[in-house]
Amino acid sequence: AQRVTQPEKLLSVFKGAPVELKCNYSYSGSPELFWYVQYSRQRLQLLLRHISRESIKGFTADLNKGETSFHLKKPFAQEEDSAMYYCALSPSANSGNTPLVFGKGTRLSVIA
Amino acid sequence: DVKVTQSSRYLVKRTGEKVFLECVQDMDHENMFWYRQDPGLGLRLIYFSYDVKMKEKGDIPEGYSVSREKKERFSLILESASTNQTSMYLCASRGWSGANVLTFGAGSRLTVL
Repeated sequence: AQRVTQPEKLLSVFKGAPVELKCNYSYSGSPELFWYVQYSRQRLQLLLRHISRESIKGFTADLNKGETSFHLKKPFAQEEDSAMYYCALSPSANSGNTPLVFGKGTRLSVIA
Repeated sequence: DVKVTQSSRYLVKRTGEKVFLECVQDMDHENMFWYRQDPGLGLRLIYFSYDVKMKEKGDIPEGYSVSREKKERFSLILESASTNQTSMYLCASRGWSGANVLTFGAGSRLTVL
């Protein structure tokens, strides 16, 4: 079965410091990985997906198949990055009817 | 620009009441999902539907049922609400074509007294 692990429930960093939110997964095939974010009083939304290889709001994430990880990184944290972050896995890029599997989330708090 | 609409933002119900949570999407998506979101437990899948009149159990279906009579609407039903069903409920949809991405509603916060 697929599983997504986010080891930190809460991560606090100072403004301007680097940020790394960890995500590890277990799946024997070639998954598609995502990061979703929920800002205060806003709906959950996609931040980025590994297939796109984009940098969104300064965040990047690289899929490391050897370590089965998809850590989210940003070199300089900003106060507006404070939010709840969820890592999610889909068994393949075209999963048809298969639901995403979510981690339990990490709350990022950026301190001024 | 709202694409997934959950009809009730806040509800307060009594133990034993029947509760309906409605979700409507305007993107012609085939897949629709109901999750509950609890602190420390993340998002847990209750039920999903991959097409009209089709439904599949998720990880925590006990105490819930769903209905999908039309493509755009997916309802979550609590037949007899209990206090341990107090939670935030999130509806999401996803299309078959293109990106494998979920679009979420704003959520329905249910309190069962």
